[in-house]
Amino acid sequence: DAGITQSPRYKITETGRQVTLMCHQTWSHSYMFWYRQDLGHGLRLIYYSAAADITDKGEVPDGYVVSRSKTENFPLTLESATRSQTSVYFCASSEPSTQYFGPGTRLLVL
Amino acid sequence: GIQVEQSPPDLILQEGANSTLRCNFSDSVNNLQWFHQNPWGQLINLFYIPSGTKQNGRLSATTVATERYSLLYISSSQTTDSGVYFCAVDLEYGNKLVFGAGTILRVKS
Repeated sequence: DAGITQSPRYKITETGRQVTLMCHQTWSHSYMFWYRQDLGHGLRLIYYSAAADITDKGEVPDGYVVSRSKTENFPLTLESATRSQTSVYFCASSEPSTQYFGPGTRLLVL
Repeated sequence: GIQVEQSPPDLILQEGANSTLRCNFSDSVNNLQWFHQNPWGQLINLFYIPSGTKQNGRLSATTVATERYSLLYISSSQTTDSGVYFCAVDLEYGNKLVFGAGTILRVKS
C-alpha cells in the first residue's frame, strides 16, 4: 500500500535495551521526520532528514540515533532506553510543504 | 524559539454548530499547517496555509501572516470532527515544525 508506515505499532521494552523503530514511505519524499508526543509537551521534533545520508537534530535528540541510507526508510534507534522515553513516536514525510504522518508507535519502557 | 499558542484549549459543541479555532505565533513563519488528530491517534493534515485563505468542504482556514495568527473554521460540526486540532509552524525552509498545544474538540450528538 502507498503511504507512510511504522513498525512496530506497539512495543514494550526494559530500561537499558536498544530499540529500533522503523519508518517507511512510498512517495519518494525527500524530507522525513521523527516526533514524539507526550502529555503536557505536545509533539516535539527529535530528528529530521532532508535527503538520503543527510540528517540533523531537532528539539529533543538526546538518547536517539537515526540513519537514512535509502530515501524511503528512516529508522529511529534508542541506544539505551530510559523510562523518560516512554511515548508515542510519529514518523512523517514531506516534499517539502505539506507534512504527512504515519500511524505512530506506542513505546513503553519499564 | 518561536512560541505557538492555540485557543481555546478545550471546546464542546452540539452537532451542527460552527466553531473557530485560533493559532497565534510569535515570529514570522515560512510555513503553517493545521492537523487533526482523531480519537485513534492518527494525525491528518488539513491545510498547508502560510498565508491567505483555503477551503475544503466544511473546513476553511485563514492565515494573516503580517499579524501572526491563523484561524480554522469548522461549520456544521459532526461527531467525526471530534479530536485534537493542532497548528504547527516553521521558521525556515525545510518544514521542521513547531506544534502548538492543540485544541481538544468534542462534538456531541
